[in-house]
Amino acid sequence: GQQLNQSPQSMFIQEGEDVSMNCTSSSIFNTWLWYKQDPGEGPVLLIALYKAGELTSNGRLTAQFGITRKDSFLNISASIPSDVGIYFCAGVFNYGGSQGNLIFGKGTKLSVKP
Amino acid sequence: NAGVTQTPKFQVLKTGQSMTLQCAQDMNHNSMYWYRQDPGMGLRLIYYSASEGTTDKGEVPNGYNVSRLNKREFSLRLESAAPSQTSVYFCASSLQELAKNIQYFGAGTRLSVL
Repeated sequence: GQQLNQSPQSMFIQEGEDVSMNCTSSSIFNTWLWYKQDPGEGPVLLIALYKAGELTSNGRLTAQFGITRKDSFLNISASIPSDVGIYFCAGVFNYGGSQGNLIFGKGTKLSVKP
Repeated sequence: NAGVTQTPKFQVLKTGQSMTLQCAQDMNHNSMYWYRQDPGMGLRLIYYSASEGTTDKGEVPNGYNVSRLNKREFSLRLESAAPSQTSVYFCASSLQELAKNIQYFGAGTRLSVL
């Protein structure tokens, strides 16, 4: 079945640092989405990517849709404490004859450096 | 703005008990979804409804049933709860247009089965 490999699994951030995470797959996706989940809440969409090679920004966040359509990355510049949470990538693919279902990576957990 | 509303927020069941998780959206979306989230596993699709009157199995449907009551509401039923169904359950909805499947999530139901 479809699988997304998201890395790193976890990382510690210090305020002001830049952060990078990525997702890869052996399958091709039509769309890549990046979500953030705060504790006790549902995932919230950060960025949507629709075309191979597309680079999209949302404030301090920048995401790219890989040219091969098998990967995507998310960068956070100048991190702040409220960036802490779990970040998920998701790819849109065809499933069971019905177009456009999502498959999620296992998440990257951002925590503050002690 | 309500978005996607899930009830209850928390639930504790004994093995063998049944219950229904409720979900309603007010965004006039055609598609609705149920996911479960387990530590280190990301989000896994249980069932989805591409449109009113249709439902289909996702990746992990065993032990669950769903009902798309109308365009707004999509419920998830556990007929005989098992400890393996202890998880956080998320409902989502989307205005699915080909590959642009941006899903909006509720805040989740935290279920413990003893």
